[in-house]
Amino acid sequence: GAVVSQHPSRVICKSGTSVKIECRSLDFQATTMFWYRQFPKKSLMLMATSNEGSKATYEQGVEKDKFLINHASLTLSTLTVTSAHPEDSSFYICSARVWRDRGSAGELFFGEGSRLTVL
Amino acid sequence: KQEVTQIPAALSVPEGENLVLNCSFTDSAIYNLQWFRQDPGKGLTSLLLIQSSQREQTSGRLNASLDKSSGRSTLYIAASQPGDSATYLCAVRQVNAGGTSYGKLTFGQGTILTVHP
Repeated sequence: GAVVSQHPSRVICKSGTSVKIECRSLDFQATTMFWYRQFPKKSLMLMATSNEGSKATYEQGVEKDKFLINHASLTLSTLTVTSAHPEDSSFYICSARVWRDRGSAGELFFGEGSRLTVL
Repeated sequence: KQEVTQIPAALSVPEGENLVLNCSFTDSAIYNLQWFRQDPGKGLTSLLLIQSSQREQTSGRLNASLDKSSGRSTLYIAASQPGDSATYLCAVRQVNAGGTSYGKLTFGQGTILTVHP
């Protein structure tokens, strides 16, 4: 299967700083990437859908100015947590959709996740 | 809005037992359903994917079934082993009006499985 790489896998930062998490599709082009958030012992919640070359679509309740998403190329989407606070501490996972054939819904592949701890 | 529920929330069994994990969803207009495994602090490992037109999928000791009309799926694990201990997540992918899918998944809250020797 295709490989999706996330970086960094772990990051610790001070409250008030901004943190950028990268999601890369290593051997395929991903027109669409999805960002999920997971609190401890909870399930994954979709935060936003990232489309290459256009603005991200945020789910209800997700602050777009807080969680900046940029999908500047077909292999890279970034999530920036701005002015991070301890309540932003979470596990962030990205998923990339590979568009193989016209009419196909495209397979989904997941990154390994990034654990953010805000002190 | 799609809601996915997994039962039980946690399960502890002795090694060697066969077990069943349950997943239910409220909107039957799904493109597919996928079972994942997640180890503590790690990402997701896809176990089985069942397309909406399929009834079941098998991989090794794992068998997943899908009853789309009733909004249910089960994951059957045969002859459980301590290495199977993990959180198991069920996720459904919605279908668009045109029959394809954007790719957004709705996850259940997971079942934490512990298999003790």
